[in-house]
Amino acid sequence: DQQVKQNSPSLSVQEGRISILNCDYTNSMFDYFLWYKKYPAEGPTFLISISSIKDKNEDGRFTVFLNKSAKHLSLHIVPSQPGDSAVYFCAASAFSVGDKIIFGKGTRLHILP
Amino acid sequence: GAGVSQTPSNKVTEKGKYVELRCDPISGHTALYWYRQSLGQGPEFLIYFQGTGAADDSGLPNDRFFAVRPEGSVSTLKIQRTERGDSAVYLCASSSPGGGGYTFGSGTRLTVV
Repeated sequence: DQQVKQNSPSLSVQEGRISILNCDYTNSMFDYFLWYKKYPAEGPTFLISISSIKDKNEDGRFTVFLNKSAKHLSLHIVPSQPGDSAVYFCAASAFSVGDKIIFGKGTRLHILP
Repeated sequence: GAGVSQTPSNKVTEKGKYVELRCDPISGHTALYWYRQSLGQGPEFLIYFQGTGAADDSGLPNDRFFAVRPEGSVSTLKIQRTERGDSAVYLCASSSPGGGGYTFGSGTRLTVV
């Protein structure tokens, strides 16, 4: 039973445009959400996170939006750059009870020149 | 070291053999996590240590898998009687006492032939 779902296995976006990666979750106990980025042959690296008490968190070109009522979050990358081509994992945790992080299957983002 | 170190980076073993995978976390990180990533999937939780003790081992798939962290630093994931289905990238991560996101190592790619 997938608690964190990324329904788009891949996404192609023109360089300079906005990339929007989507994620849905089913567990209402999740209170902390994260995005990780992964290049081939490397471990996932932390990108940005958001607590359930917020609906938006911005860090440079990256913004994460959280819609708790819809159990949906999204990552926006503006403007998209060639180095953004990677696999992006959405993840969630019941952080307030010290629980582990659960990951989605990932979305492979291709930035086109 | 500055990051999470995992050795070996690659391991090929014959079906039925025993393997040990090592993780050296970031100094001072009390929490250590093992995940497994199969092709096309996101990281799947295996076990979590807080200090020397396993706080949550609910993700270990069966009793062929075991992990230790005897001094609260380095951890070893042990797999007995390996099967072809154990082939995956095994990821280790650590986090500071304040929690939040993890820092992952580059992983050990295990191939059982």
